[in-house]
Amino acid sequence: DIVLTQSPGTLSLSPGERATLSCRASESVNNLYLAWYQQKPGQAPSLIIYAASRRATGISDRFSGSGSGTDFTLTISRLEPEDFAVYYCQQYGSSPPYSFGQGTKVEIK
Amino acid sequence: QVTLKESGPALVKPTQNLTLTCSFSGFSLSTPGMRVSWLRQPPGKAPEWLARIDWDDGKFYRSSLKTRLTISQDTSKDQVVLEVTNVDPADTASYYCARETRNRPPFDFWGQGILVTVSS
Repeated sequence: DIVLTQSPGTLSLSPGERATLSCRASESVNNLYLAWYQQKPGQAPSLIIYAASRRATGISDRFSGSGSGTDFTLTISRLEPEDFAVYYCQQYGSSPPYSFGQGTKVEIK
Repeated sequence: QVTLKESGPALVKPTQNLTLTCSFSGFSLSTPGMRVSWLRQPPGKAPEWLARIDWDDGKFYRSSLKTRLTISQDTSKDQVVLEVTNVDPADTASYYCARETRNRPPFDFWGQGILVTVSS
């Protein structure tokens, strides 16, 4: 199974700053089947990026994804108060298993 | 619109079996390419994919839990059921069902989740 390692574990930033989150896979992720989810307390995860760089429906252009192979990045260009949350990367595809990273918490500094 | 909702017991004793139901609307699991997965998330930890059932009744399981999981569908009721046998406190988690469509974004719709605690 592919293991996803996210860094850093916690990112302490102020509103308006840029956030850069990393996700590294233990082997190459085929066909860019890499997604990012945002999760707020008490809620289910919510899809924000799929296919490594495509924004899900209704997601602000402040969010962007990049990367290929084993290294992927989620960037939030200017943090808004509602962006402070936990972010998970996920590997998916036609055949499970699917795996998630351990998460990066973006907290207010 | 697409909605999913999990139901089941909030508290289960160790060694018992756990049955969870995902009731959905706004799509049909009979539609080619449609899939529903179960996932869980222990408190303070990352989500973990458990099982998936496809429109053609194809089934996939997490290898480490394969012997304890059974996923099934009731197309007449628009429900997907997950059974977990012989539960342990390590199975304490919020359990979610989520929809996928082949060749489209993954897990685009999730249920609200149900917290299941395994304790005597």
